[in-house]
Amino acid sequence: KAGVTQTPRYLIKTRGQQVTLSCSPISGHRSVSWYQQTPGQGLQFLFEYFSETQRNKGNFPGRFSGRQFSNSRSEMNVSTLELGDSALYLCASSLEGLRNQPQHFGDGTRLSIL
Amino acid sequence: QKEVEQNSGPLSVPEGAIASLNCTYSDRVSQSFFWYRQYSGKSPELIMSIYSNGDKEDGRFTAQLNKASQYVSLLIRDSQPSDSATYLCAVSRADTGGFKTIFGAGTRLFVKA
Repeated sequence: KAGVTQTPRYLIKTRGQQVTLSCSPISGHRSVSWYQQTPGQGLQFLFEYFSETQRNKGNFPGRFSGRQFSNSRSEMNVSTLELGDSALYLCASSLEGLRNQPQHFGDGTRLSIL
Repeated sequence: QKEVEQNSGPLSVPEGAIASLNCTYSDRVSQSFFWYRQYSGKSPELIMSIYSNGDKEDGRFTAQLNKASQYVSLLIRDSQPSDSATYLCAVSRADTGGFKTIFGAGTRLFVKA
């Protein structure tokens, strides 16, 4: 069974640009969550999507947005990039059930802002 | 108070010893508990899930849960240098519209050969 696939793996952008990251969950997983990870802040929750709807959102500015498609694939967009947005962006999918199932992470997209 | 707290470490143990990693959480209605291992430059990898009080063993790993004390731990027996990584504790509970999972900041473990 294929794991969570994130593209691209690496990205270099400049301040003010925008970026779109993609995530394909494990087949059958309908919940997709996005996280930002930096050395100083650890894993910070961005948002979670389920059945094309955003169910939960973390404390990030509106520049960070996402969406989920009918096949459960998800995209995350960051507009007006800032230097502080340099981070590893992780996508995780899980199988929805009566109790929370563990999340399985992709390899991440490492975003560098120049 | 952070929702999920872990000692940042580093925790250093000799090869062959037992490494004990601890995690406390603040929300009493938390239902699901997970341990992840993250090597430097890599993404988190699920090691253990535990849902009920008590111990759960999987190979060299044992997860322990005490909901009354709001405490979950991970024991690694016969620690190997390859176990050197950051270990993340994650706690999940039902939330409006689904489940909410909170990760601790992680404990760095060094296993000395």
